[in-house]
Amino acid sequence: QSALTQPASVSGSPGQSITISCTGTSSDVGSYNLVSWYQQHPGKAPKLMIYEGSKRPSGVSNRFSGSKSGNTASLTISGLQAEDEADYYCCSYAGSSSVFGGGTKLTVL
Amino acid sequence: EVQLVESGGGLVQPGRSLRLSCAASGFTFDDYAMHWVRQAPGKGLEWVSGISWNSGSIGYADSVKGRFTISRDNAKNSLYLQMNSLRAEDTALYYCAKDSTRYDILTGLTTWGQGTLVTVSS
Repeated sequence: QSALTQPASVSGSPGQSITISCTGTSSDVGSYNLVSWYQQHPGKAPKLMIYEGSKRPSGVSNRFSGSKSGNTASLTISGLQAEDEADYYCCSYAGSSSVFGGGTKLTVL
Repeated sequence: EVQLVESGGGLVQPGRSLRLSCAASGFTFDDYAMHWVRQAPGKGLEWVSGISWNSGSIGYADSVKGRFTISRDNAKNSLYLQMNSLRAEDTALYYCAKDSTRYDILTGLTTWGQGTLVTVSS
């Protein structure tokens, strides 16, 4: 149950697009289409942004999208806005357990 | 309104036990799997445990296996986490979270509580 690997930080200017990667193994990300992504603002509970790899919950902006290739999942945020600045976590089912990534701090310049 | 409210956290000495509770409201509790996720101060999220809608399938992180027990009472719309043999590294904010399906395969955690803080220290 090793944590999924995410970059510690990413940044972008308003209006730009950024992508956060989430690398796992053939036992988790590579085996299941069950990657979810969470946004967490300081002092707040996490919020689901993407589930089952690429599905958006009702109410989540279509600026957020998810994809997967092999053992790596990705979250792309287009048209960056100031309120997107937050920590982002990926999570994958790993067969009888689940595992989160270490988190990525997104800074909007 | 879908709501999850955790309780039971506090300061506890190493080696002692604590039982967390999560009261659910605003949705049909026994239609969904539930999970516990924790976050140590200043650190990232860590999945702790999950339980299917009927308690038929349960999973634990290796870090808590054999020490923590998850359970649910669908008649009381409540989720629990019994934590034994607590260690300093268990210090964290513990979140209760609702999955989007009945099965504990963590499809997506759609609703989170505000968390209850557990501090393990002598």
